Amino acid sequence: GESVGLHLPTLSVQEGDNSIINCAYSNSASDYFIWYKQESGKGPQFIIDIRSNMDKRQGQRVTVLLNKTVKHLSLQIAATQPGDSAVYFCAENIPTDKLIFGTGTRLQVFP
Amino acid sequence: DGGITQSPKYLFRKEGQNVTLSCEQNLNHDAMYWYRQDPGQGLRLIYYSQIVNDFQKGDIAEGYSVSREKKESFPLTVTSAQKNPTAFYLCASSITFSNQPQHFGDGTRLSIL
Repeated sequence: GESVGLHLPTLSVQEGDNSIINCAYSNSASDYFIWYKQESGKGPQFIIDIRSNMDKRQGQRVTVLLNKTVKHLSLQIAATQPGDSAVYFCAENIPTDKLIFGTGTRLQVFP
Repeated sequence: DGGITQSPKYLFRKEGQNVTLSCEQNLNHDAMYWYRQDPGQGLRLIYYSQIVNDFQKGDIAEGYSVSREKKESFPLTVTSAQKNPTAFYLCASSITFSNQPQHFGDGTRLSIL
């Protein structure tokens, strides 16, 4: 399988628990943020995004929280399932510039 | 069903050889991107194209080349000048260049013979 997840911080949770994955972003001018999920051997999959005029955005079983004061982003996954096991990473976008990707966190879900 | 198709899934390169990775999208997106992914690192931008017939270097363009002759296609050539080409290569596209979600293909793993 894909070895992209080597040496990444790991979050281990039990099936059914809630998961919180954190991301510190680098640039205070960033105004758009995305969370991606990457399974072994596959490309990143868009989960949810948020713009800087919001503090919170909810999707299906996922919530993204944005704290611009401390440049922090979090992804909350409710009722974590085995299929949620993957590497998760955030990306930030400075206006008119490219996306900058974080290195990721591996989520492991135990039965 | 719209999406991004990368081929081949696995590719092997001999010393001194150029190889080309294919990326096709049917999402009608203007912008396309190539990234390199190495273990334990974030995605690094190789080249990007904001619109057909235009492209710009990203952060690690040395040893790579691209073309954007058609809106739906953005092939990447890994030249012999790229001395450490072993990596997972990802192509992405977005409606426009900035402040839009990028959608990814399933990657090509390139290895050295």
